[in-house]
Amino acid sequence: GENVEQHPSTLSVQEGDSAVIKCTYSDSASNYFPWYKQELGKRPQLIIDIRSNVGEKKDQRIAVTLNKTAKHFSLHITETQPEDSAVYFCAASGQTGANNLFFGTGTRLTVIP
Amino acid sequence: DAEITQSPRHKITETGRQVTLACHQTWNHNNMFWYRQDLGHGLRLIHYSYGVHDTNKGEVSDGYSVSRSNTEDLPLTLESAASSQTSVYFCASSDPGQETQYFGPGTRLLVL
Repeated sequence: GENVEQHPSTLSVQEGDSAVIKCTYSDSASNYFPWYKQELGKRPQLIIDIRSNVGEKKDQRIAVTLNKTAKHFSLHITETQPEDSAVYFCAASGQTGANNLFFGTGTRLTVIP
Repeated sequence: DAEITQSPRHKITETGRQVTLACHQTWNHNNMFWYRQDLGHGLRLIHYSYGVHDTNKGEVSDGYSVSRSNTEDLPLTLESAASSQTSVYFCASSDPGQETQYFGPGTRLLVL
């Protein structure tokens, strides 16, 4: 099955700086890569996703890049704000056509005001 | 508004008891999933269903069961609760062909 690794496990940045979280996956058939944000005591919520036919996607201060050859994808947050502090999870869809997601172990991002 | 709910939100039980966690969604999604979330492990898939009467084992299914008698509900049963099953449990749903999963608010379970 799919194996997703996520780094770093914790990340602290100064407000206004950029944050980058990286994930690798093992199943070359994976074609969908979402990122979820989870605030303390809350449910995971989708913040951005990318499909394998696209190399990069951006939504305001958030961007995701995908390198299918290397089987890695990254989340980039620019101009970080204190409200960006949360745990971020990457995921990969695994076998094409399946609807399951395989999650990384999470990155705790702290934005220092 | 359509939504996904879980009950109870918090549960304390004793080792060996049977426990059922409820998940209900009003989006009419065919796909439903149960995850457990533990520190250092992220979200791990317990069971999933692609439609009524369909159930499948996930990565960590031992000690858990599900049944799907209608589209809206996928209850998760712990047959004989163990302390190792102390965790936060999340239910999620998605439309077939739309991989995006939407999560419920979670149930925090403590097994003493």
